[in-house]
Amino acid sequence: AQSVTQLGSHVSVSEGALVLLRCNYSSSVPPYLFWYVQYPNQGLQLLLKYTTGATLVKGINGFEAEFKKSETSFHLTKPSAHMSDAAEYFCAVSDPANTGFQKLVFGTGTRLLVSP
Amino acid sequence: GAGVSQSPSNKVTEKGKDVELRCDPISGHTALYWYRQSLGQGLEFLIYFQGNSAPDKSGLPSDRFSAERTGGSVSTLTIQRTQQEDSAVYLCASSPRQGRSYEQYFGPGTRLTVT
Repeated sequence: AQSVTQLGSHVSVSEGALVLLRCNYSSSVPPYLFWYVQYPNQGLQLLLKYTTGATLVKGINGFEAEFKKSETSFHLTKPSAHMSDAAEYFCAVSDPANTGFQKLVFGTGTRLLVSP
Repeated sequence: GAGVSQSPSNKVTEKGKDVELRCDPISGHTALYWYRQSLGQGLEFLIYFQGNSAPDKSGLPSDRFSAERTGGSVSTLTIQRTQQEDSAVYLCASSPRQGRSYEQYFGPGTRLTVT
């Protein structure tokens, strides 16, 4: 069974500082990997995804993530935090071997706090 | 274009009552998913529809939960005899086609509170 671990339920950074949100997965095969963002009282918005190809993927709002198979990680980074980045971030995986549908397995989420 | 919509946005119900939650997917999307977001369990998959095929119900937590999708479009999630542990945000997502690598577009959710 697949699982996702997000280290740190809360991460605090100052505006302009580097953002690093950690995600590690457990899977018998390399999964598809996703980062979603959730603003208060809103649904989930896809930031970026990795399926195949280049292991460094760029997403919206200046975020990027790198798939490292040897470390089973898919950490999310942004060089310079903005106040508007304050939200909850979810890492998710799905199984490429599943034909027919892509059930997402989510981590527990990391709340990003950005201070002026 | 219009995204995934869900109604109601908030629902408060008494324990033991039945509730219906509605999801309107993005037009043309063939795949539809329901997830539940709760404090104790995080985000968990409930059920999946693909076109007119039989749904995958493997995530439904009990037989009090059911869902249908009419005409391959609108979906309704029904919870019978609600319990306090059913309190959660119910999220719907749709996807443009079945299978691998296509991202899911989420609606804003319905917050269900069972008193």
